Amino acid sequence: DIQMTQSPSTLSASVGDRVTITCRASQNINLWLAWYQQKPGKAPKLLIYKASSLESGVPSRFSGGGSGTEFTLTISSLQPDDFATYYCQHYNNYSFFTFGPGTKVDVK
Amino acid sequence: EVQLVESGGGLVKPGRSLRLSCSASGFTFGDYGMSWFRQAPGKGLEWVGFIRSKPYGGTTEYAASVKGRFTISRDDSKSIAYLQMNGLKTEDTALFYCTRLQYLRGYVDYWGQGALVTVSS
Repeated sequence: DIQMTQSPSTLSASVGDRVTITCRASQNINLWLAWYQQKPGKAPKLLIYKASSLESGVPSRFSGGGSGTEFTLTISSLQPDDFATYYCQHYNNYSFFTFGPGTKVDVK
Repeated sequence: EVQLVESGGGLVKPGRSLRLSCSASGFTFGDYGMSWFRQAPGKGLEWVGFIRSKPYGGTTEYAASVKGRFTISRDDSKSIAYLQMNGLKTEDTALFYCTRLQYLRGYVDYWGQGALVTVSS
């Protein structure tokens, strides 16, 4: 099975910072990678699909990049509403959905 | 507006059964696969299973941790998806989310608010 890892596990940042989270796959997954944001007590929210496609309604300060085994989620200028936990997710037709362990972005 | 509303959660003893329902609105339910995920308290996200739309066979897939115990079904006439959970274990305690599946694109785009299932004696 393909394993997904994320780094860092926790990221402390300030409003206005540029923030980058990395997700790595144990095998080549091409562009089958999505990113979700989850706030405490809330359901996850889709941000990015197909590695770099921005979901409708998601602010343009969010961007996704990468392919193959290494991917990034970047927030160009961190806003107060962005403090949350971020998960990467891979899909394939064998093990179907696999999530990374999450990256918590908190206040520095 | 797409809405997914889960119901049926609660406290259940190990070995017992529970059925969750997911009522959908704001989109043509029959055109979409539906997937269930769960999140144990303080933990990450785990896929449970999904059901394809009828045009794609209406077939199901399950995570290894629930295969043989959980069953997903759908009633397109009512726009409801179900998660039947049998033989519940304490480790099944989690918040269960219903989601709309973008089947050929490999992600889910809408989530319900979740239904809490607690398995405890």
